[in-house]
Amino acid sequence: DSGVTQTPKHLITATGQRVTLRCSPRSGDLSVYWYQQSLDQGLQFLIQYYNGEERAKGNILERFSAQQFPDLHSELNLSSLELGDSALYFCASSVGGGLGVQNPYNEQFFGPGTRLTVL
Amino acid sequence: AQSVTQLDSHVSVSEGTPVLLRCNYSSSYSPSLFWYVQHPNKGLQLLLKYTSAATLVKGINGFEAEFKKSETSFHLTKPSAHMSDAAEYFCVVTRYNQGGKLIFGQGTELSVKP
Repeated sequence: DSGVTQTPKHLITATGQRVTLRCSPRSGDLSVYWYQQSLDQGLQFLIQYYNGEERAKGNILERFSAQQFPDLHSELNLSSLELGDSALYFCASSVGGGLGVQNPYNEQFFGPGTRLTVL
Repeated sequence: AQSVTQLDSHVSVSEGTPVLLRCNYSSSYSPSLFWYVQHPNKGLQLLLKYTSAATLVKGINGFEAEFKKSETSFHLTKPSAHMSDAAEYFCVVTRYNQGGKLIFGQGTELSVKP
């Protein structure tokens, strides 16, 4: 158990709908990362937040957005869903921003994931 | 830029025989390197990380990886496979002391035959 929690575990919805995935980082971790795992694209970085601020952006679609709240939990919002959005969505957290004396190696701890199925 | 290539998409071994999962990386910066494992319908678990303290890195469950800068490789090994090792393994690179995203290889599926 990494200490990172994600809800829900599974989500089944229809095309055109909107869903929200939730992540709680390990106690004390300020950084949250979102990754998408799909059969055709593999594991890809979507976005990073650090202490409430967006820190880095990856291959995240404009239909997707995220935020990190004052209690450090994060939500990933996916809208106008398409069949191709079906994937496993992972959240990870790290000490600091993955740099500095706290975490120079950028070690990240992953949650169990949310499996999204778009029908 | 950074990238990682896992040279085998699938490896099959017999229980009790050695395991070798191959990984080559490319990095314009000093790299941080990891191996993660994903069991079926589970999350990603950190197996080991390269910390520059030693080129041979020991991880959990008897796995090791050797960092070879001249070959830009970070292959994962285990002397004797166990049935419970059957899983997907990911080699990962990121920038040392710069934070940011992890870059994953495409994964190697390890099958272990009785």
